[in-house]
Amino acid sequence: GAVVSQHPSRVICKSGTSVKIECRSLDFQATTMFWYRQFPKQSLMLMATSNEGSKATYEQGVEKDKFLINHASLTLSTLTVTSAHPEDSSFYICSARDVRGRTEAFFGQGTRLTVV
Amino acid sequence: AQSVTQLDSQVPVFEEAPVELRCNYSSSVSVYLFWYVQYPNQGLQLLLKYLSGSTLVKGINGFEAEFNKSQTSFHLRKPSVHISDTAEYFCAVSERAAGNKLTFGGGTRVLVKP
Repeated sequence: GAVVSQHPSRVICKSGTSVKIECRSLDFQATTMFWYRQFPKQSLMLMATSNEGSKATYEQGVEKDKFLINHASLTLSTLTVTSAHPEDSSFYICSARDVRGRTEAFFGQGTRLTVV
Repeated sequence: AQSVTQLDSQVPVFEEAPVELRCNYSSSVSVYLFWYVQYPNQGLQLLLKYLSGSTLVKGINGFEAEFNKSQTSFHLRKPSVHISDTAEYFCAVSERAAGNKLTFGGGTRVLVKP
């Protein structure tokens, strides 16, 4: 159990377009999902916390109008990178918290975004 | 707020040799501690976690870690590594009340040589 599916795994888009990344908890319900960003050879940096049915909480320095987060159900959160630019190219990873309050977060497989 | 420091960015090691990855953290509140492994272009897989109780924690794939409260450390060890252990390893902490919101260390790249 505790599978988180992230889609797509890899996407290439043109500069100025928007890209949507989905994060689904397949066998559990998630009141909270987290979105991380990882630059090459670097650690994961938390971008935002997504709560089902309410607005996301963004970390300092993360543009909420650029990285739109929607958590419309207990099993799905989406991250939309709007008007993407080459500097947005990165590895994006989501994690989900089980509503039953388990102490570990479960991670998706990640999405490699390349903006050309 | 918490912070996590992984003292070694890269650790080369020969196959079947032991390996230790160092992790120190700082926090003003009680935390949970985790070690994750990441293979190229993949998400994170949990190796082990410390919540409470015994300070020696055993995880998957033969890994273990020891929590040392006085030294605020959570070092990861494996007595004999395999080629397949080549990966990036991340130490992370979360506040007990923060609901799985993780702060990660910078990562340690383990390269196992034949």
